[in-house]
Amino acid sequence: DTGVSQNPRHKITKRGQNVTFRCDPISEHNRLYWYRQTLGQGPEFLTYFQNEAQLEKSRLLSDRFSAERPKGSFSTLEIQRTEQGDSAMYLCASSTGPGDGNTIYFGEGSWLTVV
Amino acid sequence: AQSVTQLGSHVSVSEGALVLLRCNYSSSVPPYLFWYVQYPNQGLQLLLKYTSAATLVKGINGFEAEFKKSETSFHLTKPSAHMSDAAEYFCAVIPSGAGSYQLTFGKGTKLSVIP
Repeated sequence: DTGVSQNPRHKITKRGQNVTFRCDPISEHNRLYWYRQTLGQGPEFLTYFQNEAQLEKSRLLSDRFSAERPKGSFSTLEIQRTEQGDSAMYLCASSTGPGDGNTIYFGEGSWLTVV
Repeated sequence: AQSVTQLGSHVSVSEGALVLLRCNYSSSVPPYLFWYVQYPNQGLQLLLKYTSAATLVKGINGFEAEFKKSETSFHLTKPSAHMSDAAEYFCAVIPSGAGSYQLTFGKGTKLSVIP
């Protein structure tokens, strides 16, 4: 069990550029989640995959954001035309089943700074 | 909708003193409750969780929390603080019910431990 892996850990980009983050969940975890955390706040839910199907997207996930999980393995989160308000830590998490009875494990996070 | 309130954005305790971090939830039906810890520039680590079994839950690193339905609370305690406990602590809830998966976090409480 190597844990949830995220990369890059840090990304500095200019406003208007596109960025992509990758998440490798714990193997055999079929549930995958993306959260966003800004300074001084708790993480906020962005989206949820069960296997390769994206089952829910938060209203926080604007049209500039897109998440994929091809083949139900790793996932990518792409932000197009970045804005300064996108600066945050993007957290990926995974679990074997629903959160009511299954622990949701988080990765180390990917910090995004938009300048 | 679920919500979580953590009283006190910053708590300072002396090394060896009792740690008490407060969490209250709002829900008509008791949800599943979690405490996560976040060390600087790292992701979230699960400390403990309540999923409708015993109301007193023991977690890692000597932490425990008690679910009190009448007070809609799930406060986190540790009898004796250690320097390594300095971190940010987040209380989170998932709605009860099969298939629930979306964690709602509080804003966090930063714990400082004074030597």
